[in-house]
Amino acid sequence: GQNIDQPTEMTATEGAIVQINCTYQTSGFNGLFWYQQHAGEAPTFLSYNVLDGLEEKGRFSSFLSRSKGYSYLLLKELQMKDSASYICAVSPGSQGNLIFGKGTKLSVKP
Amino acid sequence: GAGVSQSPSNKVTEKGKDVELRCDPISGHTALYWYRQSLGQGLEFLIYFQGNSAPDKSGLPSDRFSAERTGGSVSTLTIQRTQQEDSAVYLCASSLVRGARATQYFGPGTRLLVL
Repeated sequence: GQNIDQPTEMTATEGAIVQINCTYQTSGFNGLFWYQQHAGEAPTFLSYNVLDGLEEKGRFSSFLSRSKGYSYLLLKELQMKDSASYICAVSPGSQGNLIFGKGTKLSVKP
Repeated sequence: GAGVSQSPSNKVTEKGKDVELRCDPISGHTALYWYRQSLGQGLEFLIYFQGNSAPDKSGLPSDRFSAERTGGSVSTLTIQRTQQEDSAVYLCASSLVRGARATQYFGPGTRLLVL
């Protein structure tokens, strides 16, 4: 079966660092995406990992370990506007359709 | 440039009625996807179009659901004889090319409520 797990909710303080974990078990693997979704809005692309290691993009970094079926999204210097759901998604095949986790709702407190 | 657009933004219908949801992908994007997001659930893949190839319908939950993509651009998702469990946000996404590594860009979604 196909399964993606991530925590349901997390809370962090403005200015801090938070790590959102994602584990996956899929029939195949052609990459892992992280999306950000503010309430009532469409998901927006944050990052893509297909090789092991850390990809850094500004305040956001994403890590992948294919052997462990594990990824994390690291958010630094948190801002209030970072309060959103963060969704982990895996591309299991070559076509491009994605399997999504249920998302982690991050609340950033002052 | 313009992003993915969807219409209507909200739709309330009565059980048993048919509904049509529209998606305009980003110009030039060859791949188009439909997803469904139910309350408290992750996005669920429904159907995928790529160019003139036969669509991948493997995610459609029942034969009441169908979709078309005309001229390789606009797509319509049709739900016949709607049921209350069809209530969800229906999201459309497009990508420039096909394939696992292509970034998908999402529209704002259509919020469907079946009474």
